[in-house]
Formats: sequence, structure tokens, C-alpha cells
Amino acid sequence: SQQGEEDPQALSIQEGENATMNCSYKTSINNLQWYRQNSGRGLVHLILIRSNEREKHSGRLRVTLDTSKKSSSLLITASRAADTASYFCATVTVGGFQKLVFGTGTRLLVSP
Amino acid sequence: NAGVTQTPKFQVLKTGQSMTLQCAQDMNHNSMYWYRQDPGMGLRLIYYSASEGTTDKGEVPNGYNVSRLNKREFSLRLESAAPSQTSVYFCASSSIDRGRGETQYFGPGTRLLVL
Repeated sequence: SQQGEEDPQALSIQEGENATMNCSYKTSINNLQWYRQNSGRGLVHLILIRSNEREKHSGRLRVTLDTSKKSSSLLITASRAADTASYFCATVTVGGFQKLVFGTGTRLLVSP
Repeated sequence: NAGVTQTPKFQVLKTGQSMTLQCAQDMNHNSMYWYRQDPGMGLRLIYYSASEGTTDKGEVPNGYNVSRLNKREFSLRLESAAPSQTSVYFCASSSIDRGRGETQYFGPGTRLLVL
């Protein structure tokens, strides 16, 4: 079964606006990762946050992790049309080797 | 440096036919994975190989077999295809890296339709 559930399932915004996606998971994790998937393509790694970290930044991306609530959020600031894609969270569970367990994804549409 | 490559890109099978999906990586990674992605869902792990010579079942292994041919190549075989195996299949590889942790690198996918 899926480890993560993402919210919202779909998000439509204008260029320049911020986009926030949320991910909830069920079991204790080693780390949580976010991936982007452009239509018809493979997944591309965006950012990894470990269970002992609370916030991480990479360019226009900001990820937070709340292990007490088993949740994470991905913020994309100043969105661009090129950010249009599906975004997935994926967790590596404690003792789960390097196996990723994916959420169901958020489809982001950024309109010019 | 091509990263992770998959062949074929598209395939149509009839129920009961067999086929092998090929995957290769040129990043000298130890671990390789096969996932399937169904509409509206995230990826689900079929099988993985932690290192050359080992393979293990993932979340949805039934109906599939794998072979870790060498460090570079990891193939997925459908012995008797069923319509429920219609999906997009992704191969990935990873190697523990101090800077990037357990990041996985994905191939472009194989779209399989079973009639």
C-alpha cells in the first residue's frame, strides 16, 4: 500500500505565485524525498530531508518535515510555467534499506 | 553519461505472451529497482537489487521475475502477461552518497499495454 498521501491532488496557480504541497505518511522514516515528474517522463529527484532535520532549502524549493505529525510540505516560490509537473513525496522507512515508498502525487499546473 | 536507460519505450502484448524489459545504468551504482506506475497513482516497487548478485521482492512482485545480469544491468520479465500488468514501468538506480543520501535516478520508462 502507498505510504504517503498527498494533498491537494491537483493545484492550479498563476506564474509568480507560490505553490504548497503536503505529504503525510504512516510509519517511522529514515528520510523523505520529493521528486518531480514531467508528463510522460521519468522522475527527477528534487530534495531529500532526513528525519532529524526540520527544514531544508534548495533554490526556490523549501521542504519542511514534522515527524511528530508524520507530515512534510514542499513549497515552490515564484512559480514558473516550467514547474508544471506532478510532484511526489517518497519515504525511506526505518530499516527499509533504500526502498522508496511513494505517495500518490500532486499535479501542479502553472499558467503564464 | 546516459544515466539510466530502458528498452523498449513502448510495447503491446497479447494476454499470455512473455517479454523482458531491459534496464542499464552507467553511474556505477550498486542498487537497482523496478517500479510500476498506474494512472493516478504513485510508483510501486516490484523488485529491487541491493547489489550485484542479490534480488528481493518489493510491494507488488506477483507475475514478475528479475535478473541482475551484472552491476550495470537489471531486467524485468513478464512470463505470461495479463491485462492487469498494463502500466508504465520505471527502472531506477542508487548508490549511497554522503552528499545525496539515497537519491534514486530514474529511467524514462517503458509503456506496456496488454490486450
